[in-house]
Amino acid sequence: AQSVAQPEDQVNVAEGNPLTVKCTYSVSGNPYLFWYVQYPNRGLQFLLKYITGDNLVKGSYGFEAEFNKSQTSFHLKKPSALVSDSALYFCAVRDNGGFKTIFGAGTRLFVKA
Amino acid sequence: DAGVTQSPTHLIKTRGQHVTLRCSPISGHKSVSWYQQVLGQGPQFIFQYYEKEERGRGNFPDRFSARQFPNYSSELNVNALLLGDSALYLCASSSTWAGGQPQHFGDGTRLSIL
Repeated sequence: AQSVAQPEDQVNVAEGNPLTVKCTYSVSGNPYLFWYVQYPNRGLQFLLKYITGDNLVKGSYGFEAEFNKSQTSFHLKKPSALVSDSALYFCAVRDNGGFKTIFGAGTRLFVKA
Repeated sequence: DAGVTQSPTHLIKTRGQHVTLRCSPISGHKSVSWYQQVLGQGPQFIFQYYEKEERGRGNFPDRFSARQFPNYSSELNVNALLLGDSALYLCASSSTWAGGQPQHFGDGTRLSIL
């Protein structure tokens, strides 16, 4: 069965510092991996995805994510955090033969000025 | 282009009632998925429809049903509402029903059950 774990409920970082939001996954086949962000009272907004190829993928708003097959991880990163990055971040997985997307429980990112 | 639109934005119902939520996908998208997001949790998959056929169903009771219309819009119906059905219901559209395409979400319908 597919599953996604986001081990941190909240990540706190100072503006200008690098940030990492962690995600590990379990899927039977080759994974399709996604990161989404949710702002208050809004739907989810797509940030980036990994399908195949380079393990480092770049996405919107300066975010990137590193795929590590041996550790089954897909951590979200940004070199320099902004206060406006404060939001709820979701990691999601879909196996390459399926239709169902499984989301993690979410990690709240708080960037302090 | 307009994004995914959902209506209504908020809804208050009482236990035992029925509710219908509506979703219009992005133009050209033929796949619509429905998710339930309870406060403090990630979205939980309810249904996916593609080309007007149900392609997948999550672990939700039969009180939940959905359909997709010829114009690819969709409705989610919930019967015999329970307090536990209180949640944000999200609709997402994509160009295909599987694979690596990302989903585009609407802002959701917040359903409160009294």
